[in-house]
Amino acid sequence: EDQVTQSPEALRLQEGESSSLNCSYTVSGLRGLFWYRQDPGKGPEFLFTLYSAGEEKEKERLKATLTKKESFLHITAPKPEDSATYLCAVRPQGAQKLVFGQGTRLTINP
Amino acid sequence: KAGVTQTPRYLIKTRGQQVTLSCSPISGHRSVSWYQQTPGQGLQFLFEYFSETQRNKGNFPGRFSGRQFSNSRSEMNVSTLELGDSALYLCASMIGTGAYEQYFGPGTRLTVT
Repeated sequence: EDQVTQSPEALRLQEGESSSLNCSYTVSGLRGLFWYRQDPGKGPEFLFTLYSAGEEKEKERLKATLTKKESFLHITAPKPEDSATYLCAVRPQGAQKLVFGQGTRLTINP
Repeated sequence: KAGVTQTPRYLIKTRGQQVTLSCSPISGHRSVSWYQQTPGQGLQFLFEYFSETQRNKGNFPGRFSGRQFSNSRSEMNVSTLELGDSALYLCASMIGTGAYEQYFGPGTRLTVT
C-alpha cells in the first residue's frame, strides 16, 4: 500500500533558525513527489515537484531534496511568514491520484 | 491567470440531505481531482476526471459522486449526508494526465448538523 509519513508533526523555531522537515514514502513506483504549503482555511499551495533521486529544487528560503526513500524540505533562516503546514505527496506509478502525508505544522516565532 | 475557483465556500447542511459542490479549473487545464480534508484523516483522494471521464476513484462510498463537463468544470455530489462528511472539500486542477503538479482551489467547508 502506498504510504507517506511526515515528521515531525509540529515544529516550532525561532526566526533565523534553520531546520529540515522529513517525508518518507513507500510507493509502487514513484512518478513524482510534491511539496505543498497550506495556510489555515486555505487550499494547499504548490511549492515543488521532484521526480528522481538526487534531484533538488530551491525557492527563496526553501530547498527540497529527494532520495529513493525520502524527501527533505530544508528551511534556511526562516521568517514568521513561513509559518504554515507543509504537506508532502506522492503520485504512484499507474495511479491518477496524489497520496498525502499528514503534514508538518511549522511555527516561526519572531 | 485566474486560479481554481470553488463554490460555495461555506455550506451547512442537515443529516440526510444532499449537496452539490462546484469547481472551475484553471483555464486550459483538463484534469480535475477532488479531495476530502479532515483533521483526523488528512487529505484523501476522492476521484479524478479528465475529458469528462472518471479515471480513478478513491475509497469512498457510492454516496460520493462527481462529473465533469465539456468545459472542464466539475461538480461533486454527496447524497444522504452523514455527520462524518463534515470536511473541507478541495478541488485541484492539472494541465493533463501524468505527473504534473496539481493546483488547488480554496475549498468548500461543509458542515453537517
